[in-house]
Amino acid sequence: EPEVTQTPSHQVTQMGQEVILRCVPISNHLYFYWYRQILGQKVEFLVSFYNNEISEKSEIFDDQFSVERPDGSNFTLKIRSTKLEDSAMYFCASSGDRSGEQYFGPGTRLTVT
Amino acid sequence: SQQGEEDPQALSIQEGENATMNCSYKTSINNLQWYRQNSGRGLVHLILIRSNEREKHSGRLRVTLDTSKKSSSLLITASRAADTASYFCATDANTGFQKLVFGTGTRLLVSP
Repeated sequence: EPEVTQTPSHQVTQMGQEVILRCVPISNHLYFYWYRQILGQKVEFLVSFYNNEISEKSEIFDDQFSVERPDGSNFTLKIRSTKLEDSAMYFCASSGDRSGEQYFGPGTRLTVT
Repeated sequence: SQQGEEDPQALSIQEGENATMNCSYKTSINNLQWYRQNSGRGLVHLILIRSNEREKHSGRLRVTLDTSKKSSSLLITASRAADTASYFCATDANTGFQKLVFGTGTRLLVSP
């Protein structure tokens, strides 16, 4: 069964460093998303991406964040200068249509020290 | 806000019993989805119910949706210890955008 994959599973970085989180969405999906979950809190929407551009982003998704689909399979989230409060589980999701099921990857746990 | 809120926050039952979790939301929706999350793990999609549907089944799962009350329920029948997890509802806004808004979740503990 197709699934969303994410790498790495755990990333530890120092404050101020850049990180790139990688995702491979389900192959025939067209809509891509990033969410995050701070420990013990709700899952929060960050950004949605369709047709090679951002379709919506949340207030969390400030200038420190960017997304890219560099090729036909990968979807990345870059945080330019990490802060302690960026420590969270980051989930990638994909969907085959605009209002269909969103399938989530296993997540990348980002720890900023 | 469009926040979904699950009720109860925590539920503890014995294997074989049924578990019912409720979700309320505030704005009109296209659909509502239920997810399961084992501790520290990813979100597993369980079921999607559209705004024009009232009930949906998938195996031991039964989901209802009452758009007049802006609420949904997830029933797990004949629960198993492996059902122990957190369960979240997530709604997408009826605005043409695709973001999901998650509730606070119900922590379900099924004891053998």
